[in-house]
Amino acid sequence: DQQVKQNSPSLSVQEGRISILNCDYTNSMFDYFLWYKKYPAEGPTFLISISSIKDKNEDGRFTVFLNKSAKHLSLHIVPSQPGDSAVYFCAARPTGNQFYFGTGTSLTVIP
Amino acid sequence: EAQVTQNPRYLITVTGKKLTVTCSQNMNHEYMSWYRQDPGLGLRQIYYSMNVEVTDKGDVPEGYKVSRKEKRNFPLILESPSPNQTSLYFCASSPHPDPLHYGYTFGSGTRLTVV
Repeated sequence: DQQVKQNSPSLSVQEGRISILNCDYTNSMFDYFLWYKKYPAEGPTFLISISSIKDKNEDGRFTVFLNKSAKHLSLHIVPSQPGDSAVYFCAARPTGNQFYFGTGTSLTVIP
Repeated sequence: EAQVTQNPRYLITVTGKKLTVTCSQNMNHEYMSWYRQDPGLGLRQIYYSMNVEVTDKGDVPEGYKVSRKEKRNFPLILESPSPNQTSLYFCASSPHPDPLHYGYTFGSGTRLTVV
């Protein structure tokens, strides 16, 4: 049973516009959330995180929003750049050490 | 350069032939973990280790073994590989069990095919 879901397998956005990647989870005990970016033939790289005590965390062009009541997480990239084209995974965990990953969303930023 | 190194990058093997995928990190990280990535299933955790001689099962441990005799190494062992273990495998490490601020550092992946 997939506890973390990314329902959009792919997304295309024009350069300079906003990219919004979504993630839904089912376990109300999840308290830490992460986003990773993955280029082909490379391992995922950590992008940004958020704790359940917050509803927003910002790092440069990347902002993560957490809506606990809706069990929904989103990553906003503004402005989008061609180098942002990659697969994005969200991950979540309850208190402890096992992370659950989503299936990934492939973002293409069109120049 | 700080990194997680996996070997081999690619491996084709036959059913039942024992194999080991090595993972080594040079960052003195306490926490290490193995994941497999499959289409439509994302990354699923196989095993993790909080420190030397401390390992625990993740989400999909069946058919795998691990060991953590030294802090830097965390090999993944498939005693009797089967075709359903054909996958892309990632090793990851983190400074401590709570990766909230650091995230994980991932290796480049090992693509395993079992025929």
